[in-house]
Amino acid sequence: EDQVTQSPEALRLQEGESSSLNCSYTVSGLRGLFWYRQDPGKGPEFLFTLYSAGEEKEKERLKATLTKKESFLHITAPKPEDSATYLCAFSPGRETSGSRLTFGEGTQLTVNP
Amino acid sequence: EAGVTQFPSHSVIEKGQTVTLRCDPISGHDNLYWYRRVMGKEIKFLLHFVKESKQDESGMPNNRFLAERTGGTYSTLKVQPAELEDSGVYFCASSQDLRGEAFFGQGTRLTVV
Repeated sequence: EDQVTQSPEALRLQEGESSSLNCSYTVSGLRGLFWYRQDPGKGPEFLFTLYSAGEEKEKERLKATLTKKESFLHITAPKPEDSATYLCAFSPGRETSGSRLTFGEGTQLTVNP
Repeated sequence: EAGVTQFPSHSVIEKGQTVTLRCDPISGHDNLYWYRRVMGKEIKFLLHFVKESKQDESGMPNNRFLAERTGGTYSTLKVQPAELEDSGVYFCASSQDLRGEAFFGQGTRLTVV
């Protein structure tokens, strides 16, 4: 069964304290691994797509990496405005699955000033 | 460029009533998705349209839910009759192609009392 698990569920950091969020997945064939950011009362906001093991993408203080079993979202020197829930999702590579996303439960990140 | 628009943003209805949610995707996006997040759970896929055709409706919980996308533009999701367990946040997303990222609307928070 396709599954994605995110850890930790919640993370509190001090401003400037770097850390990483984990996304472990089990899927028979991966079309893409997606990271989204969600603020309270808003819809998920797209951050990155990773397609193959070894791929990395960066955007400001965020860097996403992908292996065959997991993805990491590294946050370097975070600021309070980085506080949000970070969601990991994958799109299976099976034709019968189309392009629908399977989401993890998310990691709620709080960055204190 | 306008993003994905959903309305209403909130809806409170009584058990047994009917509610219709609307989604306007990004112009030119053939792929339109409905997702739902119930309290304390992850975002789950409901269905996927390609233009006006239902590509995958395997996530629809039961026959009380009816989605349409007439003309391949906006989509509606009707719940009739609504039950208490239908409460949650309903998200719509659209994408240009199957491989690319999906852009989400702000969601409709449905409360059935």
